[in-house]
Amino acid sequence: SAVISQKPSRDICQRGTSLTIQCQVDSQVTMMFWYRQQPGQSLTLIATANQGSEATYESGFVIDKFPISRPNLTFSTLTVSNMSPEDSSIYLCSVVQGGETQYFGPGTRLLVL
Amino acid sequence: GNSVTQMEGPVTLSEEAFLTINCTYTATGYPSLFWYVQYPGEGLQLLLKATKADDKGSNKGFEATYRKETTSFHLEKGSVQVSDSAVYFCALTPESGYNKLIFGAGTRLAVHP
Repeated sequence: SAVISQKPSRDICQRGTSLTIQCQVDSQVTMMFWYRQQPGQSLTLIATANQGSEATYESGFVIDKFPISRPNLTFSTLTVSNMSPEDSSIYLCSVVQGGETQYFGPGTRLLVL
Repeated sequence: GNSVTQMEGPVTLSEEAFLTINCTYTATGYPSLFWYVQYPGEGLQLLLKATKADDKGSNKGFEATYRKETTSFHLEKGSVQVSDSAVYFCALTPESGYNKLIFGAGTRLAVHP
């Protein structure tokens, strides 16, 4: 399976600021996703990161709050904008390999004060 | 719509006990089904999967069988170890869902010596 890394692994941020999370894959992948895991909760899909076009957002998530870039087939960024304490979560990227199986990065633990 | 329902946790067992974590789903057609595991402080790992009815996924002593008639994918292990303590997530990708994963709420398992 692909090796996926994320930066930063964790961060503590002040409300009103923005944080950009990077996701790097060691091989080219077509499909890449971003998920959020709020404390003690399950995972919720934020968006599909499309290479060369705008990301596709799920209901309840908007581009102004979570802008996503996908400049090539091995890299993507997710920005959490104008953060509030409610944005404190683990943010994970995932990629599809082997047809339909998703593999996840280690996650970025974000705490907003 | 598509959804996944898991038994509520936490599940507390003694070492070498038998484990069952129930998972049922709602989806049209034939989704693909997955179990992911999240060890304390770590990211999400694929545990096993099944992509068609009556398939059995297995890994590390864990098993789950895709039951179309009961729309279930229960996770079982014959003899748990302390190292199996983690949160287990049941998930599906819809038959025509562009690989989007839909997760259950997760079940926390604690195994004591």
